[in-house]
Amino acid sequence: GDSVTQMEGPVTLSEEAFLTINCTYTATGYPSLFWYVQYPGEGLQLLLKATKADDKGSNKGFEATYRKETTSFHLEKGSVQVSDSAVYFCALRRGTQGGSEKLVFGKGTKLTVNP
Amino acid sequence: DTAVSQTPKYLVTQMGNDKSIKCEQNLGHDTMYWYKQDSKKFLKIMFSYNNKELIINETVPNRFSPKSPDKAHLNLHINSLELGDSAVYFCASSPSGRGKGTEQYFGPGTRLTVT
Repeated sequence: GDSVTQMEGPVTLSEEAFLTINCTYTATGYPSLFWYVQYPGEGLQLLLKATKADDKGSNKGFEATYRKETTSFHLEKGSVQVSDSAVYFCALRRGTQGGSEKLVFGKGTKLTVNP
Repeated sequence: DTAVSQTPKYLVTQMGNDKSIKCEQNLGHDTMYWYKQDSKKFLKIMFSYNNKELIINETVPNRFSPKSPDKAHLNLHINSLELGDSAVYFCASSPSGRGKGTEQYFGPGTRLTVT
């Protein structure tokens, strides 16, 4: 079945450090890939997405490139801020018939950024 | 202007009780979902409804019964609550028929604690 594997957390960085959170996936066909972020006490928000190979998703300084050859979608940010402290989830979604397509999530990576 | 709302936000109850969690979306979407997030932050789909029709049922115990009175609502009823049901439950919605890259919008979550 489909699965998503994320690097184990937690990750602790100092402000302005470079961030990479690794994500690899297993899926049949050509899924779409997503990064969701969950701030403390809140629900999930879409951070960025990519729907086909070599697409780059970007938002709020975060970037991730859909690499089909390595089945990866690593999240990067050049300079993190304290406000980026959250749990980050990598997810995939396959197109299915019926109009309802579930998200398959990785286990989440908790990021803490210290001033 | 909450897009996806859930009630209650917190629910503390005893084993064996029956409880319901309500979800409403005002986005005009026709697909809604329930996800469960366990104590380790792992997120897993439970159910999905499209136009009030059950589309996904991911081997969830039949003590859990979703009900969709209309496209804007998807409620979750849980019978005979067990300690292992303690988790955060997230409702989500998305428009259907727009492909696998369509974003899902999440509610703020309901933290269920069974004692």
